[in-house]
Amino acid sequence: LAKTTQPPSMEAYEGQEVNVSCSHTNIATSEYIYWYRQVPHQGPQFIIQGYKDYVVNEVASLFISADRKLSTLSLPWVSLRDAAVYYCIVTDRMDSNYQLIWGSGTKLIIKP
Amino acid sequence: DAGVTQTPRHEVAEKGQTIILKCEPVSGHNDLFWYRQTKIQGLELLSYFRSKSLMEDGGAFKDRFKAEMLNSSFSTLKIQPTEPKDSAVYLCASRDWGSEQYFGPGTRLTVL
Repeated sequence: LAKTTQPPSMEAYEGQEVNVSCSHTNIATSEYIYWYRQVPHQGPQFIIQGYKDYVVNEVASLFISADRKLSTLSLPWVSLRDAAVYYCIVTDRMDSNYQLIWGSGTKLIIKP
Repeated sequence: DAGVTQTPRHEVAEKGQTIILKCEPVSGHNDLFWYRQTKIQGLELLSYFRSKSLMEDGGAFKDRFKAEMLNSSFSTLKIQPTEPKDSAVYLCASRDWGSEQYFGPGTRLTVL
């Protein structure tokens, strides 16, 4: 069973900043938070990962609450290309055999 | 840098046929995963290899699904015999130690 809860869908206009939330109330101290996205007819693509506080890369930002039970993926200035399903996953990266357990994700719909 | 390659991109099979799907991981990656993706079940793990050794065989998929890693740069997934319920997208992913997973574009299988 997936360890995360996400809204099933969201809508935004091009140019907006989008925040996709993810609840992981039972996250273990050894677990990290990963975000992937999948556009139609392609495999999922890694976006960002984090353990606590705030992580930023060239694509997105990841905010993690102080108790680590909630994370928010922030996408600045979305375009039609950002329309995808966004998956939040928590997993124990310290386990050398760690695997990803996928939930249903959040479908992001971009309106022109 | 070549990503994960999967062939064929589309496959149509008659019920009862044997089909073989192919995957070439990212060069140098130690871990390889096979997933099945459907609208209803989402992403399900079929097999997981580490340095060509089978670490996870996907439990419920054991009887007609067999993944092999013949060398570090090539893996196959055999489905024998196929059934209409096997219609899905089959995704291959690879990763280096402790890194994120890189996915191929997938093979869309239709079983008539």
